[in-house]
Amino acid sequence: QVKLVESGGGVVQPGKSLRLSCTASGFAFYSYGMHWVRQAPGKGLEWVAVISFDASNKYYADSVKGRFTISRDDSKNTLFLQMNSLRAEDTAIYYCAKDNSARGLGWGQGTLVTVSS
Amino acid sequence: DIVMTQSPLSLPVTPGEPASISCRSSRSLLHSDGYNYLDWYVQKSGQSPQLLIYLGSSRASGVPDRFSGSGSGTHFTLKISRVEAEDVGVYYCMQALQTPLTFGGGTKVEIK
Repeated sequence: QVKLVESGGGVVQPGKSLRLSCTASGFAFYSYGMHWVRQAPGKGLEWVAVISFDASNKYYADSVKGRFTISRDDSKNTLFLQMNSLRAEDTAIYYCAKDNSARGLGWGQGTLVTVSS
Repeated sequence: DIVMTQSPLSLPVTPGEPASISCRSSRSLLHSDGYNYLDWYVQKSGQSPQLLIYLGSSRASGVPDRFSGSGSGTHFTLKISRVEAEDVGVYYCMQALQTPLTFGGGTKVEIK
């Protein structure tokens, strides 16, 4: 079955960088667009970024544009989120999600990023 | 960006009774293909969100038929015909018409 496993979260100081990974299994990863969505502690869901199945299109939320980069390695069935110049307001659980082409999103279990000095 | 507004914020329910959640969008989610690009998700305590309804009214695989989605354009509704204790959680609507994807603020369903 479809499985998405995020990793790479942790505690990081403001201004520093972190790279998140999402390893996919159970489906043809190379055929699907993928998203990152985050959730600040006790808050709602905020979309972060999307990458198309062939990596030709990438879009970002205004709140992360210019600081975060989404990418993928289809040979490793892995999605990435490079996060630079981190701020306290980036503290959140980060979920990767499979785009089922208008049939909703399938979610991983998330990885927690805490930006604090 | 499309703004999604849910109501109510909190919904205390009695097991066996129906429940209804409203979701409104700031612009129509009706695509030229005839589908409304509106999903519903539930997030249970300590878990990641899971898909309930896509394209406004299609139930995801494995979702009980007591859940139904309706509406078109800018106004949508999620209904639970008879609430069960396991339905407790936060329900979100999400528009999938355009990026950025945007979510409603969530409705917390709890048992009275």
